[in-house]
Amino acid sequence: EAGVAQSPRYKIIEKRQSVAFWCNPISGHATLYWYQQILGQGPKLLIQFQNNGVVDDSQLPKDRFSAERLKGVDSTLKIQPAKLEDSAVYLCASSSTTTYEQYFGPGTRLTVT
Amino acid sequence: DQQVKQNSPSLSVQEGRISILNCDYTNSMFDYFLWYKKYPAEGPTFLISISSIKDKNEDGRFTVFLNKSAKHLSLHIVPSQPGDSAVYFCAASLGDDMRFGAGTRLTVKP
Repeated sequence: EAGVAQSPRYKIIEKRQSVAFWCNPISGHATLYWYQQILGQGPKLLIQFQNNGVVDDSQLPKDRFSAERLKGVDSTLKIQPAKLEDSAVYLCASSSTTTYEQYFGPGTRLTVT
Repeated sequence: DQQVKQNSPSLSVQEGRISILNCDYTNSMFDYFLWYKKYPAEGPTFLISISSIKDKNEDGRFTVFLNKSAKHLSLHIVPSQPGDSAVYFCAASLGDDMRFGAGTRLTVKP
C-alpha cells in the first residue's frame, strides 16, 4: 500500500511570494488533513476534508491560506502572500473512516526569507 | 491552546534500559490517544494507541499506559534500542479532532 505522497519536499521563497503544496492521500482514505509544524512544536491542524468537503478550517488563516480537494482525492494548499512566520513543515495526513490513526506524508519544508 | 503537553523536550537513555515518555492532557473528553514517532526529514509514523476505556496497551517492546483520573499517559519502551532514537509525539483525539504535544526527543546511547 502506497503511503501519503507530498511535493515538493523543500521550498524556499521570499516573503510576499505565493507557494502551493500538493498531497495525494492513501488510496481509499476519505479524510485528509493539512497540518503546520513549526520547529519545536507539534503539528497544528490547518484544515480537514471529508471527501471533497471541508470539515474543519477554524485554524486556517483564510486571509492568506487556501486549500481545496476538488475530486475528493488529491489536495493542494496555497499560501499567498507568504510571511516569514509561515516558515514551517507542512504535513498532509489521511485516515479511513474506520480507524482513528492518521497516516502522514513526509512533509514539505517551507522557508520564507 | 495547549490541550496536550509533553513537558520533557528531550530524554537520553542507555541501550537496553527502559525509556519512559510522558504526556499530559487537559480535555477529559478525549477518547483516544496515540503515540507517533518521527525521524528527521520524515513525517510522523503511527506507533501505538489506546482507547479511553483501557488503561494499558502493549505491542512488543512498546506499552502505553493511560491514567484518566490524572489525565496522563506514558509510553514505555523496553528494552530501548539505538534505532528508537527519534522525536515522539503524543496525540489525543475526540473523533477526528486530534491534538498533538510538542514532542520529546529520545536519544538511545549504545
